[in-house]
Amino acid sequence: GDSVTQMEGPVTLSEEAFLTINCTYTATGYPSLFWYVQYPGEGLQLLLKATKADDKGSNKGFEATYRKETTSFHLEKGSVQVSDSAVYFCALSTGGFKTIFGAGTRLFVKA
Amino acid sequence: SAVISQKPSRDICQRGTSLTIQCQVDSQVTMMFWYRQQPGQSLTLIATANQGSEATYESGFVIDKFPISRPNLTFSTLTVSNMSPEDSSIYLCSGLEQETQYFGPGTRLLVL
Repeated sequence: GDSVTQMEGPVTLSEEAFLTINCTYTATGYPSLFWYVQYPGEGLQLLLKATKADDKGSNKGFEATYRKETTSFHLEKGSVQVSDSAVYFCALSTGGFKTIFGAGTRLFVKA
Repeated sequence: SAVISQKPSRDICQRGTSLTIQCQVDSQVTMMFWYRQQPGQSLTLIATANQGSEATYESGFVIDKFPISRPNLTFSTLTVSNMSPEDSSIYLCSGLEQETQYFGPGTRLLVL
């Protein structure tokens, strides 16, 4: 069945460091791909999405490119801030129905 | 994008009691879902709330324990019945709009 695998956390970075959170997927069709962010004590917020191969989603300095050949959707940010500390979930959706979520990666950014 | 609100935001309940969580969406969404999230964990889908008919439950979740209603396209409730400490968790409501799921802020439940 469809699945999402993302790198285990926690990831600890210093402020202004470069961030990469790896995400790979398995899907029988042509999924849409998403990154969600969950700040402490809050629900999940959509961070960015891509709906077809080679699409790049971007928001708030974060970006991810839909790579069909490597079945990946890695999240990147050039310079993280303390306020980026959160849990990040990679997810996929096929057929516009249920969304499959990864296990989540916790990010800590130190000042 | 859909904006989703939940009530209550948190509650502390005694074992054996029931709690109903309300979910309101500001637009008509095609589907609504209820999830449970243990601290530090990913999301577990409880059920899909169907308008005007019985919810569709995932394996391990039953209607007697988690009755769900969805009287229209913008509102749903989840009841956690006969609670035990194992039901302590975050409960999240979600709505599907144009292939994208949007989430409410969650209800934090502690059962003593």
